[in-house]
Amino acid sequence: SYELTQAPSVSVSPGQTARITCSGDALPKKYAYWYQQKSGQAPVLVISEDIKRPSGIPERFSGSNSGTVATLTISGAQVEDEADYYCWSTDISGNYGAFGGGTKLTVL
Amino acid sequence: EVQLVESGGVLVQPGGSLRLSCAASGFTFSSFEMNWVRQAPGKSPEWVSYISSSGTKILYSDSVRGRFTISRDNAKNSLYLQMNGLRAEDTAVYYCARDPGGLQLSFDYWGQGTLVTVSS
Repeated sequence: SYELTQAPSVSVSPGQTARITCSGDALPKKYAYWYQQKSGQAPVLVISEDIKRPSGIPERFSGSNSGTVATLTISGAQVEDEADYYCWSTDISGNYGAFGGGTKLTVL
Repeated sequence: EVQLVESGGVLVQPGGSLRLSCAASGFTFSSFEMNWVRQAPGKSPEWVSYISSSGTKILYSDSVRGRFTISRDNAKNSLYLQMNGLRAEDTAVYYCARDPGGLQLSFDYWGQGTLVTVSS
């Protein structure tokens, strides 16, 4: 199996920058992906391949990967950004993947 | 618009079997790899299985290997998950998720999910 580690919660005031991290042994060689999940809804991709923002995702969402830690940054977080955020990546073989435990973002 | 619609989730007894389906539309289904991902209540998502666009490459998580079988019918734009030997820990919302086909296994679009409950 493979494990990715996230902090359980992050809290910021509206307009502040929220940083959510994800650590994993294979991250120096594998991409991280970030998913936003609001209550009762399916996950939505917000960052792919460490740094790419899919069409329709606000510019305030950005990603980075420095060695064994990938980071999702929300610059100027909004109340509507409150959600659970999950990182995803695979092990070195690429044949097995895992989600992080999730980080609950509170914006208030 | 990409649409993925799962169906087949029900209440089933431990040891029972179930077949989930996912109907795809809004994209060329036969060109994309697909996955099943599940999420138990209050837990993070868990990747379950992957199938290549042609169906020739299949992967499973350790937790379902030997019990679940993924398949697809490109003529019907449909993805399936045959679930046998169900256990209480298989209780979850099951999502069908499209793989964008990049350098590693990932998901760009998800369905709304179908709930599977395993209980006596």
